[in-house]
Amino acid sequence: GAVVSQHPSRVICKSGTSVKIECRSLDFQATTMFWYRQFPKQSLMLMATSNEGSKATYEQGVEKDKFLINHASLTLSTLTVTSAHPEDSSFYICSAVPRPRGQETQYFGPGTRLLVL
Amino acid sequence: KNEVEQSPQNLTAQEGEFITINCSYSVGISALHWLQQHPGGGIVSLFMLSSGKKKHGRLIATINIQEKHSSLHITASHPRDSAVYICAVRSRGGADGLTFGKGTHLIIQP
Repeated sequence: GAVVSQHPSRVICKSGTSVKIECRSLDFQATTMFWYRQFPKQSLMLMATSNEGSKATYEQGVEKDKFLINHASLTLSTLTVTSAHPEDSSFYICSAVPRPRGQETQYFGPGTRLLVL
Repeated sequence: KNEVEQSPQNLTAQEGEFITINCSYSVGISALHWLQQHPGGGIVSLFMLSSGKKKHGRLIATINIQEKHSSLHITASHPRDSAVYICAVRSRGGADGLTFGKGTHLIIQP
């Protein structure tokens, strides 16, 4: 089946630093990738929609200048948490929708656990 | 905004029991997903439904569009089925991102 990878799987950083998380579709091209965040004991929340070749669409309450998304190719989207703070500590998950458009299935990455000290 | 409610929040059962997890949503949808999340956090997509019923192995998912309700059933449950099961919907005419329920924490005891 379709595989989505994320790197790194786990990262610990100091407050004020930036962290980049990669999301790759390994065996398919993805027109659209989504970034979700999950705080402990809570449900996943959509942060932003990333479309190849265009600017990401952010959900209400998500700061676009803090969470930079780059969808540089049909197989790679990156999320950069800039000037990370302890409250950004969370589980970040991406998903990818296979090309061609019209398919509803989303394939999820394994997630990246971020801890900001 | 779609509100997604799951029940029960927690469920402990004995191996072999028939399991039902319910999901209801408030606004019309184009698709509903059932997902499985293991303790490490990784998510596996089990089903995507827009109508009717789907079956895969011991798992069965049904959806009633009129009642805005879906169920996930597990037959002959096994300890390896222990996980968090999440219902997620894609709202009709909305953005493609999913709205998630809070999940049902299932424990199957041997």
